[in-house]
Amino acid sequence: GAGVSQTPSNKVTEKGKYVELRCDPISGHTALYWYRQSLGQGPEFLIYFQGTGAADDSGLPNDRFFAVRPEGSVSTLKIQRTERGDSAVYLCASSPETGYEAFFGQGTRLTVV
Amino acid sequence: GQQLNQSPQSMFIQEGEDVSMNCTSSSIFNTWLWYKQDPGEGPVLLIALYKAGELTSNGRLTAQFGITRKDSFLNISASIPSDVGIYFCAGSIIQGAQKLVFGQGTRLTINP
Repeated sequence: GAGVSQTPSNKVTEKGKYVELRCDPISGHTALYWYRQSLGQGPEFLIYFQGTGAADDSGLPNDRFFAVRPEGSVSTLKIQRTERGDSAVYLCASSPETGYEAFFGQGTRLTVV
Repeated sequence: GQQLNQSPQSMFIQEGEDVSMNCTSSSIFNTWLWYKQDPGEGPVLLIALYKAGELTSNGRLTAQFGITRKDSFLNISASIPSDVGIYFCAGSIIQGAQKLVFGQGTRLTINP
């Protein structure tokens, strides 16, 4: 596709459930980033991939959060045992390489009830 | 952790007016970026700054990378209704867009 695509656009889940959020980067982009944006705040860095490997996962809040990018393209952010505090918009971005401007997707709005 | 202080938090202006917003940090950043975000959308890059002192324009937008590398400003001239939205500054210690730290945003509202 022309831009970064994130699915689903909205996800409502019950506390304690497991969720997966998907990101399809721009074709050919090797760097991929995940950010989380709480209401009224700027995005906060979670993790970034260069190719298949996680180059920096220092922003993941705890071990309930995990992300993969097995083939160096699509990435999945996985959240176990969701808590109400995980409710936020999860943004994905990609860039041709690290060091270049990143383009953001429209985000997945996660609501934990 | 690192924080960017963005001001003002909100602005209410008349169409045609000029707008100025800024971002400051207690830490040095080597890249400053300015984004605009519309409701339900991801941030869209407006201007990227890579050198201290750099002044860059993009149409009616002008941004500067402060000499101390701890601040940046964004100016919008002759505002129009489509300028409405939330503007974010973002900084990166590493050159380029990698691990970005974002400000809290400036919400711009324009009265026609």
